[in-house]
Amino acid sequence: AQSVTQLDSHVSVSEGTPVLLRCNYSSSYSPSLFWYVQHPNKGLQLLLKYTSAATLVKGINGFEAEFKKSETSFHLTKPSAHMSDAAEYFCVVSDLRNAGNMLTFGGGTRLMVKP
Amino acid sequence: NAGVTQTPKFQVLKTGQSMTLQCAQDMNHEYMSWYRQDPGMGLRLIHYSVGAGITDQGEVPNGYNVSRSTTEDFPLRLLSAAPSQTSVYFCASSSRTGGYEQYFGPGTRLTVT
Repeated sequence: AQSVTQLDSHVSVSEGTPVLLRCNYSSSYSPSLFWYVQHPNKGLQLLLKYTSAATLVKGINGFEAEFKKSETSFHLTKPSAHMSDAAEYFCVVSDLRNAGNMLTFGGGTRLMVKP
Repeated sequence: NAGVTQTPKFQVLKTGQSMTLQCAQDMNHEYMSWYRQDPGMGLRLIHYSVGAGITDQGEVPNGYNVSRSTTEDFPLRLLSAAPSQTSVYFCASSSRTGGYEQYFGPGTRLTVT
């Protein structure tokens, strides 16, 4: 079985300051991990993915995440927040052995960016 | 290339009514899935398919049926709608050759009164 815990349901930062969204996962196998972003009333967009290559993964819009197996974490960071980053972010785990590539989602973190 | 399309965008049903949410993809992906999104719970898998003619249950399948007669289409049927099925529904597709990256449709917002 696999599971994902996003440690903060809401994060508020000021524009221009760093962003840290925390994610811990549980998987009985070497997982694939993803971060998705959802802007209000929109669908989901893939930010970045880890699939057992480099542990530091760079994504779109300046986001990156580091896979730490010893800590079972996959935290999302960005050096400087922009107003357009305000959205909900989902950490997702997938065990590619599962038929259908089923995804398990965390509960989401809503990022608010103050001017 | 339209990607993953879903219809309708919005729907209101009365308790006990049935309906079908449509999902289509034009990327020749073998995998397709249905998820529901509820506040604070992320997305939960309802049903999925690994190819035409093959479907299986996900985490929350009760009250929903699916079929996959073609690679392109994966409709989700609500047999007898209940207020607990009020949610936003997302369809997704992926392929092994694409590194299993899931592509999501724009969603259907369903309200059951």
